[in-house]
Amino acid sequence: SQQGEEDPQALSIQEGENATMNCSYKTSINNLQWYRQNSGRGLVHLILIRSNEREKHSGRLRVTLDTSKKSSSLLITASRAADTASYFCATSKAAGNKLTFGGGTRVLVKP
Amino acid sequence: GAGVSQSPSNKVTEKGKDVELRCDPISGHTALYWYRQSLGQGLEFLIYFQGNSAPDKSGLPSDRFSAERTGGSVSTLTIQRTQQEDSAVYLCASSAPGTGIIEQYFGPGTRLTVT
Repeated sequence: SQQGEEDPQALSIQEGENATMNCSYKTSINNLQWYRQNSGRGLVHLILIRSNEREKHSGRLRVTLDTSKKSSSLLITASRAADTASYFCATSKAAGNKLTFGGGTRVLVKP
Repeated sequence: GAGVSQSPSNKVTEKGKDVELRCDPISGHTALYWYRQSLGQGLEFLIYFQGNSAPDKSGLPSDRFSAERTGGSVSTLTIQRTQQEDSAVYLCASSAPGTGIIEQYFGPGTRLTVT
C-alpha cells in the first residue's frame, strides 16, 4: 500500500516557470527521497532529505520537509522542457529499508 | 561506474509459464530491492536483500513469487505460473547503507507482459 498522497496529480506549466509538488505521508520516517521517471521506466534519484533536516537544495531543486505535518515539497525552479516527467516521493522508516512511494505527480513543461 | 542493470528489458510470456528476471546491482552495494510498477497499484515494494539474506519479504504478493541473491551480488526474481495480473514493470534498486549510501539507485526495469 502507498504511504501517502502526492499533490497535484498533474501539473502543466510554461518553460521558465517554477513547479511545486507536495507529498504527504502517514507514519514516522527516517528519510524521504524524490525521484523522476521518464516514459514509465527507470527511476532517477533526485534528492534525499533526512528526518532531522528541514530543507535541501540541489541545483534547480529545493526540497522541504515538515515532520510535524508529515509532508514534503519539491520545487523545480526555472523549469525546462526536459523536466517533463513524473515525480515520486518515497519514504523509508529506517536507513536502508524499503521505500514506500506516493502516487506521483505528472509534470508537463511546455516550450 | 556502471549503474544497476536488469535483464531482459522486455519479456512476453504466456499465462501459466514461469519467468526469471535478473538484476545486477551497483558493485559494492550490499542492499538490493525489488519493486514493481503497474497501472492499478503504482510502485510497490516486493522484497529486500541485505547481502544474501532477505530480512523483508513482506511485499511478495503470493507464493508464486520468489527471489534469491547469490554472492552478495546478482539477484533473480522468479514468478511461477504467471497470471495476467503479474503484468507490470519490475524494478530493481541497490544501495550501500553500511557506508552511508542510503539513496536507492534504480535499474531500467523489466517490462513483463503476460498474455
